Amino acid sequence: EPEVTQTPSHQVTQMGQEVILRCVPISNHLYFYWYRQILGQKVEFLVSFYNNEISEKSEIFDDQFSVERPDGSNFTLKIRSTKLEDSAMYFCASRDTTGGPQPQHFGDGTRLSIL
Amino acid sequence: GENVEQHPSTLSVQEGDSAVIKCTYSDSASNYFPWYKQELGKGPQLIIDIRSNVGEKKDQRIAVTLNKTAKHFSLHITETQPEDSAVYFCAASMDSWGKLQFGAGTQVVVTP
Repeated sequence: EPEVTQTPSHQVTQMGQEVILRCVPISNHLYFYWYRQILGQKVEFLVSFYNNEISEKSEIFDDQFSVERPDGSNFTLKIRSTKLEDSAMYFCASRDTTGGPQPQHFGDGTRLSIL
Repeated sequence: GENVEQHPSTLSVQEGDSAVIKCTYSDSASNYFPWYKQELGKGPQLIIDIRSNVGEKKDQRIAVTLNKTAKHFSLHITETQPEDSAVYFCAASMDSWGKLQFGAGTQVVVTP
């Protein structure tokens, strides 16, 4: 069964450094998402992306965050200047847009640790 | 905005018994309610979903019920097995393509 793939599985970064989290959505999916889960808290929506532009973003997704689809297969989340509070599990999801309403499929996540 | 509450936070059941997890939501405009199962070290995996035009949906040992008037929905797992042990999340959204608002999760432990 096709899967959403995320790399790396664990990223350790110094505070203030830039970090890029990578995702390969399921082939032929066109709707992409990033969520995050701070330890002990709910999974929170960050941003959705469709047709090469942001569809919706949450209050968390401020100017320090950006997303990009640099080629036909990757979808990235960049945090420009990381803070301690950015430490969390980051999940990428993708969704098919054909054949009616389709669910979101999640990757296994990247654990981001800011030191 | 939408707020989803999920109970219980932990649930321990004997193998073969049933497990029920309940969620409530606040936004009456929500009309899509998926359930995800998350095993250790893995991402959330969709197990079943329901839309507001349906009151109940079943898939083998898993069923979901929705009460739009009361704004709550529940996951029912029958004949539980050790491999059902995981964290289960409910979520709500305006549509399947919209942002998902998650509940806090339920840790289910099935003991042999």
